[in-house]
Amino acid sequence: GQQLNQSPQSMFIQEGEDVSMNCTSSSIFNTWLWYKQDPGEGPVLLIALYKAGELTSNGRLTAQFGITRKDSFLNISASIPSDVGIYFCAGPASLGSGNTGKLIFGQGTTLQVKP
Amino acid sequence: ETGVTQSPTHLIKTRGQQVTLRCSSQSGHNTVSWYQQALGQGPQFIFQYYREEENGRGNFPPRFSGLQFPNYSSELNVNALELDDSALYLCASSRGTGEGYTFGSGTRLTVV
Repeated sequence: GQQLNQSPQSMFIQEGEDVSMNCTSSSIFNTWLWYKQDPGEGPVLLIALYKAGELTSNGRLTAQFGITRKDSFLNISASIPSDVGIYFCAGPASLGSGNTGKLIFGQGTTLQVKP
Repeated sequence: ETGVTQSPTHLIKTRGQQVTLRCSSQSGHNTVSWYQQALGQGPQFIFQYYREEENGRGNFPPRFSGLQFPNYSSELNVNALELDDSALYLCASSRGTGEGYTFGSGTRLTVV
């Protein structure tokens, strides 16, 4: 079945540093979503990408939809302590029996920021 | 507009018991999805309800069932609980089946 692989699995960085994480798949996704999950909370949508090659920013966050439609990356510039959390990539499952509304999530990248 | 609220926040059950988790969607959101998130993993799709009918289902056994009500609330029921059912259960709602989802904070279920 469709899978999303995220790397790195975890990152420990100094406040102020830039961060880059990515998400790859062996199958094509037509939409890429990036979520952040804080401890004890549900995922919150950060950026949505709908077109191959699209580069979208949300404040200090920038994400790109890969040209092959099989990958995406998320960059965070000038990290701050509140960036701590788990970042997930996700995409809608391909159309098929039972897949309506199904989002496939990667396993997450855990980010820790040292003040 | 209010967000997605889930209850209870934490729950401990014994293996073999049944549990009902509740979700109150945002007003106007006629689609609700339920996800299971095991520790250290990404959320896994359980099923989706649209206009009170099941609209899609992931690889979960029939003992996982749901209901959606006209007032935008919904339930996830799990029968014959197993230890592996211990997880964070997330509810997500949207205005339509292809729209962006808003997640609740989840219910942490522990089966002992």
